[in-house]
Amino acid sequence: GQQLNQSPQSMFIQEGEDVSMNCTSSSIFNTWLWYKQDPGEGPVLLIALYKAGELTSNGRLTAQFGITRKDSFLNISASIPSDVGIYFCAGQLQAGGTSYGKLTFGQGTILTVHP
Amino acid sequence: NAGVTQTPKFQVLKTGQSMTLQCAQDMNHNSMYWYRQDPGMGLRLIYYSASEGTTDKGEVPNGYNVSRLNKREFSLRLESAAPSQTSVYFCASRPGTASGNTIYFGEGSWLTVV
Repeated sequence: GQQLNQSPQSMFIQEGEDVSMNCTSSSIFNTWLWYKQDPGEGPVLLIALYKAGELTSNGRLTAQFGITRKDSFLNISASIPSDVGIYFCAGQLQAGGTSYGKLTFGQGTILTVHP
Repeated sequence: NAGVTQTPKFQVLKTGQSMTLQCAQDMNHNSMYWYRQDPGMGLRLIYYSASEGTTDKGEVPNGYNVSRLNKREFSLRLESAAPSQTSVYFCASRPGTASGNTIYFGEGSWLTVV
């Protein structure tokens, strides 16, 4: 099956620092998504990427869809305490057939921000 | 503003017991999903339903069954619970169109099998 390797597994940073995390895949995806999960909650979509090379921002968050379509990264600038949580990347294969709509998730990056 | 609602929130089962996790969405989405989340494993797809009347296996379907009762509801059943099924379960839904890639998750169900 599809494999997504997300790194780092965890990060401990000071408030105000920038954060970078990435995902790599053994196969090509046509969509990359980044989710954040707060404790006791379900994942919430942060950024969606649909084209190779696409760079998209959402406030202090920036994500890019790798040119090879096998990787993506997420940057968080000027981190704040409420950025704490688990961040997941997810890749989606080509729509159609039995793979339609199915996401493959990375293992998650646990982010801790010290005030 | 319910979105995806799943019940129960917490459940403790004995090995061999059965139970059903219920999920309902009020967004008129076509596709629904059940994931499990385990430490260091991310979210893994158990079963999904691309549209009403269809269900398909995901990555880890063994030990589970599903029913797409109608467009709104998608239930997950454990016929004979095992300790390996201790996990957090998330139901999710998606519009089902090629351009609507946003998947909306419920708040999760914490299941412990002892």
